[in-house]
Amino acid sequence: DAGVTQSPTHLIKTRGQQVTLRCSPKSGHDTVSWYQQALGQGPQFIFQYYEEEERQRGNFPDRFSGHQFPNYSSELNVNALLLGDSALYLCASSLPPDTQYFGPGTRLTVL
Amino acid sequence: EDQVTQSPEALRLQEGESSSLNCSYTVSGLRGLFWYRQDPGKGPEFLFTLYSAGEEKEKERLKATLTKKESFLHITAPKPEDSATYLCAVQAGGDDKIIFGKGTRLHILP
Repeated sequence: DAGVTQSPTHLIKTRGQQVTLRCSPKSGHDTVSWYQQALGQGPQFIFQYYEEEERQRGNFPDRFSGHQFPNYSSELNVNALLLGDSALYLCASSLPPDTQYFGPGTRLTVL
Repeated sequence: EDQVTQSPEALRLQEGESSSLNCSYTVSGLRGLFWYRQDPGKGPEFLFTLYSAGEEKEKERLKATLTKKESFLHITAPKPEDSATYLCAVQAGGDDKIIFGKGTRLHILP
């Protein structure tokens, strides 16, 4: 049983560019949440998708947007990248109200 | 405001030296408290979910307990491979997001 997968593993972008990160949930899970983890900090909630709709959003600007596909996979898009967007981006999947399981993350570096 | 505070920030133990990590929380109606283990540069690995005060769960050398204000992760006779950052998180009733603490960096010396 494959767990949560994310791609790419690492990504380097320059300020002002746009980036798309991808996530495939654990088999049987229909809900995907995205988190941003800065170095030395705990993960911060960005948003959650269920039935292809954004169900809840954290305190992140509109530059952060997402999408969920009919097969439950998801994308996170970040526009107009800033240096402060450099972080580990984590995807978690769940079958609510059960526990969220995390993927390996995508390390984004903005130069 | 929902909040999670973990202590200590970092802990160094000798192999076999038991200890406890603390997680204090403030949340409007606890739906679940979670413990995750995270190795450097990797995603958090699920350890335990606790739902109500008095609940306890065990896995190998780890035991998690929960009161109305805090949770403890007890580690018994740790080994070097237990070295990692341990994250505590809470989910409020009616909420989808998980709120994390900053974690405790645990280093077990051989």
